[in-house]
Amino acid sequence: AQSVTQLDSQVPVFEEAPVELRCNYSSSVSVYLFWYVQYPNQGLQLLLKYLSGSTLVKGINGFEAEFNKSQTSFHLRKPSVHISDTAEYFCAVSDLSFNKFYFGSGTKLNVKP
Amino acid sequence: AAGVIQSPRHLIKEKRETATLKCYPIPRHDTVYWYQQGPGQDPQFLISFYEKMQSDKGSIPDRFSAQQFSDYHSELNMSSLELGDSALYFCASTTNSYNEQFFGPGTRLTVL
Repeated sequence: AQSVTQLDSQVPVFEEAPVELRCNYSSSVSVYLFWYVQYPNQGLQLLLKYLSGSTLVKGINGFEAEFNKSQTSFHLRKPSVHISDTAEYFCAVSDLSFNKFYFGSGTKLNVKP
Repeated sequence: AAGVIQSPRHLIKEKRETATLKCYPIPRHDTVYWYQQGPGQDPQFLISFYEKMQSDKGSIPDRFSAQQFSDYHSELNMSSLELGDSALYFCASTTNSYNEQFFGPGTRLTVL
């Protein structure tokens, strides 16, 4: 089975500052990795995903994440955040059979002016 | 582009009542997943269907049942509702051509 740990439940940051949201996973098999964003009262929107190849993955809205197999991490980064990035971010893993996702507990990003 | 449709978007029920949530996947998607997200919690996988057959099962209570129909839409039936069933229920769909799940906007169920 897989599991996901998001180390920070809340991350406050000022607008235009850089941010990193941390995600570590545990799995005995190879996995796919995902970051989703959830705005208030809305569904989950895919930010980016790692399937194979380059370990640096670029997603929508200027976000990127780096897959580190040795550290079993998939941290999400953005060099300069905007007020509109205020949302909850979920890291997720699935095995290669892609039967189901395991989500982390979420990180609430609060961007302050 | 067409997205996953869930209905209703909001549902209020009393304890011990039943509820039916519907999910309409993106056209030509053959796989449907159901997730439950309690207040302040991460989404938990409930059950999935592939080509109208149950493909995997997660932490779905025995009071819940689900099925996928010939047009690939899915319904989650919830009986003897409890206060703890209050949550946001997500449906997601996909097909073999994609390595991701496409999520619907969710149905917010409130049990009073």
